[in-house]
Amino acid sequence: DADVTQTPRNRITKTGKRIMLECSQTKGHDRMYWYRQDPGLGLRLIYYSFDVKDINKGEISDGYSVSRQAQAKFSLSLESAIPNQTALYFCATSDIAGSPDTQYFGPGTRLTVL
Amino acid sequence: AQSVTQPDIHITVSEGASLELRCNYSYGATPYLFWYVQSPGQGLQLLLKYFSGDTLVQGIKGFEAEFKRSQSSFNLRKPSVHWSDAAEYFCAVGALGTDKLIFGTGTRLQVFP
Repeated sequence: DADVTQTPRNRITKTGKRIMLECSQTKGHDRMYWYRQDPGLGLRLIYYSFDVKDINKGEISDGYSVSRQAQAKFSLSLESAIPNQTALYFCATSDIAGSPDTQYFGPGTRLTVL
Repeated sequence: AQSVTQPDIHITVSEGASLELRCNYSYGATPYLFWYVQSPGQGLQLLLKYFSGDTLVQGIKGFEAEFKRSQSSFNLRKPSVHWSDAAEYFCAVGALGTDKLIFGTGTRLQVFP
């Protein structure tokens, strides 16, 4: 089984709808991240969490919120989806505290907002 | 502020040819540097990383990268490309004291038979 899973893998929704993307991990890592990937822009950090009680904004958090329900689960919500949130969304985890280390990525969720 | 530049958006090579993907970073202290690969329809997988020590780093799938402080570069190389290497490649940089990475915009590699 995959260490980092994301659901759904694909989602098409309409403008104004609330959407939740879910991420689960079995790696036992404390650190979890949400990124979005757009063609030509690479990966940009939306939110990150160091533990259940520690949530931090990334560089593009506007229009998004997150919930860390447990060490293993980190959800991303779009409160009112808009077309420019159409993108590929990745969840990632890492283990080491205090310094950058390998991040382990899920397979991604492709979101289309019409 | 940290930044990463991948100057080449798209590279095409023939199978069996050598490959070099460029990555330049901007950071005052010694950076933590990574190369990831994203195959079509998949998430990112770590190829290799550099924190300190030997500036030539070996990774998986026959890739290597060399850290050159004087040029602020961390270029990825492979002596002989295989068709299965067709993918998008991302360079990333991090700083001691943070748990975040800054990713480049990616280089898409196309391999012709």
